[in-house]
Amino acid sequence: KNEVEQSPQNLTAQEGEFITINCSYSVGISALHWLQQHPGGGIVSLFMLSSGKKKHGRLIATINIQEKHSSLHITASHPRDSAVYICAVEDNGGSQGNLIFGKGTKLSVKP
Amino acid sequence: NAGVMQNPRHLVRRRGQEARLRCSPMKGHSHVYWYRQLPEEGLKFMVYLQKENIIDESGMPKERFSAEFPKEGPSILRIQQVVRGDSAAYFCASSLYNEQFFGPGTRLTVL
Repeated sequence: KNEVEQSPQNLTAQEGEFITINCSYSVGISALHWLQQHPGGGIVSLFMLSSGKKKHGRLIATINIQEKHSSLHITASHPRDSAVYICAVEDNGGSQGNLIFGKGTKLSVKP
Repeated sequence: NAGVMQNPRHLVRRRGQEARLRCSPMKGHSHVYWYRQLPEEGLKFMVYLQKENIIDESGMPKERFSAEFPKEGPSILRIQQVVRGDSAAYFCASSLYNEQFFGPGTRLTVL
């Protein structure tokens, strides 16, 4: 079993839909990251959080430490949101850079 | 302020040759991380460095791979005697504290 599990693996949505991507992990963590990988391969860090909720534009990330679960929400989705979304955790037994990554959720938003 | 820069963006090597991948962190960042993304697989941590020090190399293969981050100049990931299984995208990231900023990656192809 992977230490970081994401669901769904693939997600197709219509423009304007509300999207949720889930991440569950099995280790104790010091922080959780949400990353976006564009079709061209580049990676952008969206959020780093260790508790509660963060919002940036149409993106919202939440984390429940007790349940070892995080969600990434996209409101009013747009075709330009099409990308792979990756959840990664910092194991609190490891160094700050030693991220454990999920396999990613491939999102396709249709116009 | 330029982002994280990696060069070359694409590198082709024949089996047995050496590959040198360079990463210039964002200005002022003293932490550098290297990650590898094998085809059809998720990202994996390789090594975390600060200036002139390797902090965590637990993700580095035991042989042929080395990394450095000298006092002056970029961080270098060096792969000696490359094999076809080394073909992958190699990403570096840098941080001032905890938030990581990713470079565009170097795609290594071993013929």
